[in-house]
Amino acid sequence: ETGVTQSPTHLIKTRGQQVTLRCSSQSGHNTVSWYQQALGQGPQFIFQYYREEENGRGNFPPRFSGLQFPNYSSELNVNALELDDSALYLCASSVGGRSSTDTQYFGPGTRLTVL
Amino acid sequence: AQRVTQPEKLLSVFKGAPVELKCNYSYSGSPELFWYVQYSRQRLQLLLRHISRESIKGFTADLNKGETSFHLKKPFAQEEDSAMYYCALRSGSARQLTFGSGTQLTVLP
Repeated sequence: ETGVTQSPTHLIKTRGQQVTLRCSSQSGHNTVSWYQQALGQGPQFIFQYYREEENGRGNFPPRFSGLQFPNYSSELNVNALELDDSALYLCASSVGGRSSTDTQYFGPGTRLTVL
Repeated sequence: AQRVTQPEKLLSVFKGAPVELKCNYSYSGSPELFWYVQYSRQRLQLLLRHISRESIKGFTADLNKGETSFHLKKPFAQEEDSAMYYCALRSGSARQLTFGSGTQLTVLP
């Protein structure tokens, strides 16, 4: 059984650019949640995808968008990058989506630096 | 809105001493609380959840609804316990986690 994987590991972009981050969920999981972790802070919920549909969203602007594919892997897209978008982006996979009590398993993260 | 507070950013104890990492929450519903741990160069992983009422690696945590707390405790700290610890509350339609800002625990030899 493979765990959650994320790519790339590190990424450097400039203000105004767009970025796509990728996440492969753990085998058997159909739900992916994305979190942003700024330096010195705990992870903050961005949104969740369950069976290819957005299932909930945190307090992030529309320039943060996502996709989930039939194999349950997921992408996080960020448009018009700002300096404050520099952070570690974590994805977590789980089973069930709505009303699930299942554990979320985290990937290693993608470190995004915006210059 | 829900909120999780971990008042200590850094905590140092000596090996063999008791350790308590504090967590307080604010939530209008029935809380579902977790402790996650991140060891050096490893990913975030679940340590324990309150509904399981289990002890993992010697750690326990009791939900106190009156004091809105979920403190993590271990009677005898070990050097391998040194890590970043996050308290988290699960809520919302997506069952998303709201994390505290974390406590870096260092167990000194």
